[in-house]
Amino acid sequence: DAKTTQPPSMDCAEGRAANLPCNHSTISGNEYVYWYRQIHSQGPQYIIHGLKNNETNEMASLIITEDRKSSTLILPHATLRDTAVYYCIVPASGNTGKLIFGQGTTLQVKP
Amino acid sequence: DAGVIQSPRHEVTEMGQEVTLRCKPISGHNSLFWYRQTMMRGLELLIYFNNNVPIDDSGMPEDRFSAKMPNASFSTLKIQPSEPRDSAVYFCASSLVPGWGLETQYFGPGTRLLVL
Repeated sequence: DAKTTQPPSMDCAEGRAANLPCNHSTISGNEYVYWYRQIHSQGPQYIIHGLKNNETNEMASLIITEDRKSSTLILPHATLRDTAVYYCIVPASGNTGKLIFGQGTTLQVKP
Repeated sequence: DAGVIQSPRHEVTEMGQEVTLRCKPISGHNSLFWYRQTMMRGLELLIYFNNNVPIDDSGMPEDRFSAKMPNASFSTLKIQPSEPRDSAVYFCASSLVPGWGLETQYFGPGTRLLVL
């Protein structure tokens, strides 16, 4: 897997946008970027993934830089329920389904 | 749709006992994963199956751990004999891998195992 680097923790005010960065400078041209999160005492939850274009779904937006060496997950209007550990993952290329979870970023949404 | 189902949700056992964790993946998914999560080591992949066949078991800690997937709708993770250091939350996840890079995994609620 391409190595990813994330800040260990971030704070965000409720109702504001949360922008979570991730560096993946060794990513290959055909490797996707995935984001998962884990709310306390729950299993990890898939959020979004992308290759090179920006992506948006009902949960978040994913902005990938043109050189693909970094990305940002955006939660447009963070709520207290978005407090969780957020993982940026670049799976190994190939049809394996294998993901390696690092330490992630602990996002604390504050009232 | 039902998500990934794991049982039991909580298990307390004594050292030396056999422990069996169970998982029912999402119907139609063709990949199944077992993870272990501890405070010290984080979330670790133990083993994963593709179309019921074990593909990579390099994360299995030792011979005391074994996993099976007898059919597409059921998998077990067995620890025999269990030890206190096996105490952790064990997650099962499933996914559908239709193509390269499309690896969206759906996790179950986990089994919290405590070995005394």
